[in-house]
Amino acid sequence: QKEVEQNSGPLSVPEGAIASLNCTYSDRVSQSFFWYRQYSGKSPELIMSIYSNGDKEDGRFTAQLNKASQYVSLLIRDSQPSDSATYLCAVNTGSGTYKYIFGTGTRLKVLA
Amino acid sequence: DAGVTQSPTHLIKTRGQQVTLRCSPKSGHDTVSWYQQALGQGPQFIFQYYEEEERQRGNFPDRFSGHQYPNYSSELNVNALLLGDSALYLCASSFGQGSTDTQYFGPGTRLTVL
Repeated sequence: QKEVEQNSGPLSVPEGAIASLNCTYSDRVSQSFFWYRQYSGKSPELIMSIYSNGDKEDGRFTAQLNKASQYVSLLIRDSQPSDSATYLCAVNTGSGTYKYIFGTGTRLKVLA
Repeated sequence: DAGVTQSPTHLIKTRGQQVTLRCSPKSGHDTVSWYQQALGQGPQFIFQYYEEEERQRGNFPDRFSGHQYPNYSSELNVNALLLGDSALYLCASSFGQGSTDTQYFGPGTRLTVL
């Protein structure tokens, strides 16, 4: 089992729809969770971080964390063609470890 | 507010050569992490530097080494390059001693080994 798993996609949604991206992780003691967006040929750009169970909203983005079920998701409302990118989920287990463990990313395509 | 910077942008080397990549952290940040991202994969943690020392290392051979300077900038050195070292090398900076500190990535260095 991979430490952080994401569906590679592509996930295709029409413009204006809600895109839902999911990520599961294996280490129960994980403490910090991050979503990054990566355009083709570019570096990852931080979208959101989440540390506590529940929802966290920032503009069109909502991150959801459920530690009991070991998953974290990202919702993108009113999806735009410019949102087309690969979305990377990253997890830090805390407990004295400083590295982020990344999933392989989900490719999102927003169709105009 | 200057973000994370990396140099060079692109690099082409041949097998067996050595390479040095450089990173300047975001203003106010004191910690630098290095990641390797192969095509179609997520970034893989190489190591992290804090207070000029390697604080944690990922599953990479000793051919990968690093350094952090008093001004917090950092270098990644790779010796005896292999074809499989071709990847995007990412530097990420953060502030503080906490393991949960948010990391911000630089633009990366694309290394091609022929």
